[in-house]
Parts: sequence; C-alpha cells; structure tokens
Amino acid sequence: DAKTTQPPSMDCAEGRAANLPCNHSTISGNEYVYWYRQIHSQGPQYIIHGLKNNETNEMASLIITEDRKSSTLILPHATLRDTAVYYCIVRATYNQGGKLIFGQGTELSVKP
Amino acid sequence: DTEVTQTPKHLVMGMTNKKSLKCEQHMGHRAMYWYKQKAKKPPELMFVYSYEKLSINESVPSRFSPECPNSSLLNLHLHALQPEDSALYLCASSQDPSDTQYFGPGTRLTVL
Repeated sequence: DAKTTQPPSMDCAEGRAANLPCNHSTISGNEYVYWYRQIHSQGPQYIIHGLKNNETNEMASLIITEDRKSSTLILPHATLRDTAVYYCIVRATYNQGGKLIFGQGTELSVKP
Repeated sequence: DTEVTQTPKHLVMGMTNKKSLKCEQHMGHRAMYWYKQKAKKPPELMFVYSYEKLSINESVPSRFSPECPNSSLLNLHLHALQPEDSALYLCASSQDPSDTQYFGPGTRLTVL
C-alpha cells in the first residue's frame, strides 16, 4: 500500500471549516483513500473513503485531486468534539488481506 | 448499527497471569481484527480472521493467542506477558477483508 504524509498537527477555530491535507504521491489505481479519526483513548472512528471522485457524508467531505496524489478531508463546521488525531490511509482493498496501515496522523485541535 | 464491543475496558495483570480479551459484533461481519496501540503511536495490526480462519499473523509473539469461536466473537488469550505489552488493544470488524473496518473502544491493558 502507498505511504501517506500528513502534517503532525493543526489548529482550527470552532465553527470554522477544518481542512486536513494528505499526500499520497505513490498511490496506485486500485487504492482507496480512507480517513479515520481517534479521539483520545477511544477506538478509531471511520469517517469516509473514496477512490477518485469527491465524497460527502454526514461527517465530512473528501476531496481527491485529479491525479490522485493528494486529498483533503473537510470538516465543514468544526466543534470542540472534533479534536482528535486524524489518519489518512491508502489501501488496496483486494491486496494485503485486509491490512490497514496507520501512519502518524494529524493531531487536530479545535479551539474556542 | 456499526458497534463492536470489547470487554473488559481495563485490565491489570501480572506477568504470570493468564487472561483473555473479548470482542463481539452482531453486524454479520466475516472479518475480524486485533490491533495493538502503544501510547502516542498509531495502531498496529496483530491478527486478521477471515471467515473464522486466521489469515494474517503479523509475527506476533506466541504469548498472544487469538481465537475465533464463531463469526461474531473474537478472543485474545494472554499468557506470560511482559510490561512492554502494556497497551490499548483494539478489535475491529468488516463485512469481509476488502471492506471498511469498524473499531471497538479498546481494552487498556497494564502488565505489572
């Protein structure tokens, strides 16, 4: 699976949009981009995933560049409860037998 | 319903003890996973069960012994652990190994 690069930390003001970037320049055509987050001492929470089209659900939007070498997770109106470590993971779902390889993630702090 | 439950929430054990961690899901998922997470590090995969058979063992020491008694239940048997095995142990499940994984809240293990 391709490696990802994320900034180690970011701040965001409450009520503003949080835009979390992820670089995955070696992504292959059959690899999906997954986003999870982990609030302190809890289990990782699935947020969203996509292959090449932009995706939106009730939690967030995922914007994938046309060349698929990078993506951005958007939390449209961040709240204090969105403070967490956000993991961007690239995964070929039909390879590796289900392995999910977490990188270091981005620690997002939402401030009042 | 995307709930994976884990018991106990916390466990303290001595190096000579034998204990078990339990994970349960009732979503009809056929793949289940154990991850280990040390403090301030990302989760790392330990084992994958696919259709109740062990499909991946990430070179985990034999003092950790997984068991999948049925498609809803996953156990992790612990014996002769070391203090460095203290960590958050996370269980996850997915419809099959190629699908999105959903995590439980974890068991916080302390080995004295």
